[in-house]
Amino acid sequence: AQSVAQPEDQVNVAEGNPLTVKCTYSVSGNPYLFWYVQYPNRGLQFLLKYITGDNLVKGSYGFEAEFNKSQTSFHLKKPSALVSDSALYFCAVSGYSSASKIIFGSGTRLSIRP
Amino acid sequence: GAGVSQSPSNKVTEKGKDVELRCDPISGHTALYWYRQSLGQGLEFLIYFQGNSAPDKSGLPSDRFSAERTGGSVSTLTIQRTQQEDSAVYLCASSFLPSGSSTDTQYFGPGTRLTVL
Repeated sequence: AQSVAQPEDQVNVAEGNPLTVKCTYSVSGNPYLFWYVQYPNRGLQFLLKYITGDNLVKGSYGFEAEFNKSQTSFHLKKPSALVSDSALYFCAVSGYSSASKIIFGSGTRLSIRP
Repeated sequence: GAGVSQSPSNKVTEKGKDVELRCDPISGHTALYWYRQSLGQGLEFLIYFQGNSAPDKSGLPSDRFSAERTGGSVSTLTIQRTQQEDSAVYLCASSFLPSGSSTDTQYFGPGTRLTVL
């Protein structure tokens, strides 16, 4: 069975500092991996995805994520955090099987202090 | 439409009543998902429709929950005999799956906030 874990409920970072939001996964075979963001009182928005190819994926709002197969991780990163990045971030995974569904992690609340 | 729409946006009901939540996916999207999100919490998978295949109902929490997708487009999530623990935001998402693909980016609707008194 596939699963995804976000080990940190909350991440606190000072504005201008680099940020990392962690995600690890378990899936049979190769994974599809996604990051979504949920701003207060707004719906979920797609940030980026890894399907195949380069391990470093660049997405919206200056975010990027690195696929690490040996560590089964897909951590979200940004070189310089903004206060406006404060939101709830979800990692998601799916397998390659046509029967696979997308499973979401429990979410990590990112708080950027001025 | 430009995106996934859901109705109603808010629903307040009394314990024991039935409710229906509607989702209109993006035109042409073959896959449709329902999730449940409790206040500030993660997304709980409920059900997944993909084309003409039998839906994946493995996430439905009880037999009070059911969903259908008519004509491969609009979907309705029905909760019978609602309980207070059913209170949550119910999110719908759709995606386009080209032939041979198993998944792709999901586009989410704004959700329906259900409150069971």
